[in-house]
Amino acid sequence: GIQVEQSPPDLILQEGANSTLRCNFSDSVNNLQWFHQNPWGQLINLFYIPSGTKQNGRLSATTVATERYSLLYISSSQTTDSGVYFCAATREYNFNKFYFGSGTKLNVKP
Amino acid sequence: GAGVSQSPSNKVTEKGKDVELRCDPISGHTALYWYRQRLGQGLEFLIYFQGNSAPDKSGLPSDRFSAERTGESVSTLTIQRTQQEDSAVYLCASSLNLQAASYNSPLHFGNGTRLTVT
Repeated sequence: GIQVEQSPPDLILQEGANSTLRCNFSDSVNNLQWFHQNPWGQLINLFYIPSGTKQNGRLSATTVATERYSLLYISSSQTTDSGVYFCAATREYNFNKFYFGSGTKLNVKP
Repeated sequence: GAGVSQSPSNKVTEKGKDVELRCDPISGHTALYWYRQRLGQGLEFLIYFQGNSAPDKSGLPSDRFSAERTGESVSTLTIQRTQQEDSAVYLCASSLNLQAASYNSPLHFGNGTRLTVT
């Protein structure tokens, strides 16, 4: 399968700060998604982004498929951004098995 | 329904007992996935269904684990003779269809079943 590595594993921010989360993957992928797991365990899909850049409010994501990494940007962080951020990828020609990274645990302090 | 529904939300069982976990996907979603999340870790793929068929069971940890899906809706994950290492949150997700899962159709997750084996 694909190796999906995320960094940093833990991140503490002061409210209002910006941050960048990174996801490296070991093989060519045809589906890359970012998820947020809130402190109650609920997983919410943030972006589908196998390549290019997308923005949604204070969040944006960029995937450089040729260099096998994706970045998630959080600007003007809020306490509600706290939780764990996962990236997940599927291999080319096997798009039904998502491999998840171990996540970045974000704590935004007021 | 409005979202993916899983039951029970919590299950405590004694080692050696069998448990059944249930998942109701979003209506019309033909693809259904089971994942396991151990404390503080990422998601581990178990099995997926396309309709009632399970083409890939390679993620099931042992033959004590099985899953079925009927009527392209409800799915049940069964763990026989539970062991303490089975303790985890079991998450179910659905998507419109596998092709769509690959092309801008996100996974929708339920809230999970927290299984504790004592």
